[in-house]
Amino acid sequence: NAGVTQTPKFQVLKTGQSMTLQCAQDMNHEYMSWYRQDPGMGLRLIHYSVGAGITDQGEVPNGYNVSRSTTEDFPLRLLSAAPSQTSVYFCASGGRSPQHFGDGTRLSIL
Amino acid sequence: AQSVTQLGSHVSVSEGALVLLRCNYSSSVPPYLFWYVQYPNQGLQLLLKYTTGATLVKGINGFEAEFKKSETSFHLTKPSAHMSDAAEYFCAVSEANFGNEKLTFGTGTRLTIIP
Repeated sequence: NAGVTQTPKFQVLKTGQSMTLQCAQDMNHEYMSWYRQDPGMGLRLIHYSVGAGITDQGEVPNGYNVSRSTTEDFPLRLLSAAPSQTSVYFCASGGRSPQHFGDGTRLSIL
Repeated sequence: AQSVTQLGSHVSVSEGALVLLRCNYSSSVPPYLFWYVQYPNQGLQLLLKYTTGATLVKGINGFEAEFKKSETSFHLTKPSAHMSDAAEYFCAVSEANFGNEKLTFGTGTRLTIIP
């Protein structure tokens, strides 16, 4: 089925470790974004991209890096994980159409 | 800057009763407004959206919302609640310049349906 695919679905890290959350879409959307969801805070925009080679910061970008080398992929990198980054992460794609969301990655930092 | 306020983090209604979930927004320019639904352990699904034109917007699963500029509101309603409506609902806004992009979300309303 067409849509937004996120991997992994679950991950546990130790403080200071690095990892990359993967996001891929097959709808040829120009716009892609990453959100984090925390209890009582809704979804907050981390980074977004309006096309290959173009990225920008959202509301809560600190501690995260992104790149967009292809239209399809938009990975999110945690360089040195901190307990405050424990959250559920959602990738979304859209543009001319409203954003489609992946099923999320549940990340715990110990 | 834009913002969204959802009144009531938890709402309970009886099966068959009216569902009303409240959303107020602030935006310095004409907004695009969205309602998304999230079922447990899933991503968000679009229920409906307002861009321009008719202020009463119909969505999936029998939901509708009305854009009221004078009240800066975009409340979500459904005439008769069903057990399958139990989920978390998020209102979101983007400035019209950005269309479907750069959404600002409210903190969500968890809807419980009482049998």
